[in-house]
Amino acid sequence: AQSVTQPDIHITVSEGASLELRCNYSYGATPYLFWYVQSPGQGLQLLLKYFSGDTLVQGIKGFEAEFKRSQSSFNLRKPSVHWSDAAEYFCAVGPMDSNYQLIWGAGTKLIIKP
Amino acid sequence: NAGVTQTPKFQVLKTGQSMTLQCAQDMNHEYMSWYRQDPGMGLRLIHYSVGAGITDQGEVPNGYNVSRSTTEDFPLRLLSAAPSQTSVYFCASKLDSLYGYTFGSGTRLTVV
Repeated sequence: AQSVTQPDIHITVSEGASLELRCNYSYGATPYLFWYVQSPGQGLQLLLKYFSGDTLVQGIKGFEAEFKRSQSSFNLRKPSVHWSDAAEYFCAVGPMDSNYQLIWGAGTKLIIKP
Repeated sequence: NAGVTQTPKFQVLKTGQSMTLQCAQDMNHEYMSWYRQDPGMGLRLIHYSVGAGITDQGEVPNGYNVSRSTTEDFPLRLLSAAPSQTSVYFCASKLDSLYGYTFGSGTRLTVV
């Protein structure tokens, strides 16, 4: 069955520390991969996406993610977090051969310690 | 550009009432979708549309109807509200499969 797993429901990181949010997927073929961020009371905003090519992709707000085919993972990283990064982060995957259906992870809530 | 506009932002319904959640986008996106977001469950697709006049069911379509008479608008109708439909609803649009979604700011619906 197709699925996306974000193993960490919550992650707490000190301001200025590095961050890695995990995303693992189960899919029949190489999918399109996305990371979104949701600030409290807001809609979701696209951080970055992977379609093909370089497996390390850069996104907005200083985030990057690395696609590892052998591990079926697409982990999100940031070298130094800021208090404004506190939000919920969602990983999603979608089929390359279809236009639409995305499969979403349950989200990881990032808490920043001052 | 306003992006994706959802109205209302908050709504309280009584069980059995009907209502329409409005969604409009001004980016000329062909693809639009409705999701519901519940704690710990991520986003679940209710209905989607790949263009004016074309709609299809997503993962959790029961109790909801949609129509797409124009490219810009994609309203979601709750036929007879139930407490299980208490949720946050998001409308999203995108240009095509190579692009990410643009989301509206959501409608928080409570059914009592």
